[in-house]
Amino acid sequence: EVQLVESGGGLVQPGGSLRLSCAASGFTFSNYALTWVRQAPGKGLEWVSSISDSGSSAYYLDSMKGRFTISRDNSNNTLYLQMNSLRAGDTAVYYCARGFRADPYDSWGRGTLVTVSS
Amino acid sequence: SFELTQPPSVSVSPGQRVTITCSGDRLGDKYTSWYRQKPGQSPVLVIYEDAKRPSGIPERFSGSNSGNTATLTISGTQPMDEADYYCQAWDSSIVVFGGGTKLTVL
Repeated sequence: EVQLVESGGGLVQPGGSLRLSCAASGFTFSNYALTWVRQAPGKGLEWVSSISDSGSSAYYLDSMKGRFTISRDNSNNTLYLQMNSLRAGDTAVYYCARGFRADPYDSWGRGTLVTVSS
Repeated sequence: SFELTQPPSVSVSPGQRVTITCSGDRLGDKYTSWYRQKPGQSPVLVIYEDAKRPSGIPERFSGSNSGNTATLTISGTQPMDEADYYCQAWDSSIVVFGGGTKLTVL
């Protein structure tokens, strides 16, 4: 069974940083591109960033470029999202999902809540 | 920039058919996926590559995509289908979700 488990969310002040993790199991991690999607309270889904199966290519929504960094550790089956210069507008549940581009998001984690507030 | 537009809400009576649309510039040239999200839960893939159903998704879910509009159809809608539905497509290396449609089964 495919499992994706996010962690690392919490309360952070504006301008602060957080690193999210997504631990994967139940599939060959290094064969799949992975993605972060977020959902602000009461709002819709928003793509944040994706990374290729090897980790050699990363893609970001324009508003995240320069602030967020996606990475992965294929030896430990873990996906990361380093978030810097956080703003109130980044408050959301962050989901990791398996897939990108032609591969649909066929598995999702339960999400981790990030709250940016003073 | 590439955008996808969905109606904010749609309602249907149990047992009836309902369609949810998703509009975008030349969307028919791209693959569209659909996700169902129930309150407090993670999204679930219900349609991919315009019309394919993942294993475990009931046959009453179907999809199509042509021109500027992709459509999710639920035939014989059941109360358990009440949820938010999101379309999604990608263009170059940018992924876009529609704003979501709240399906109410009255």
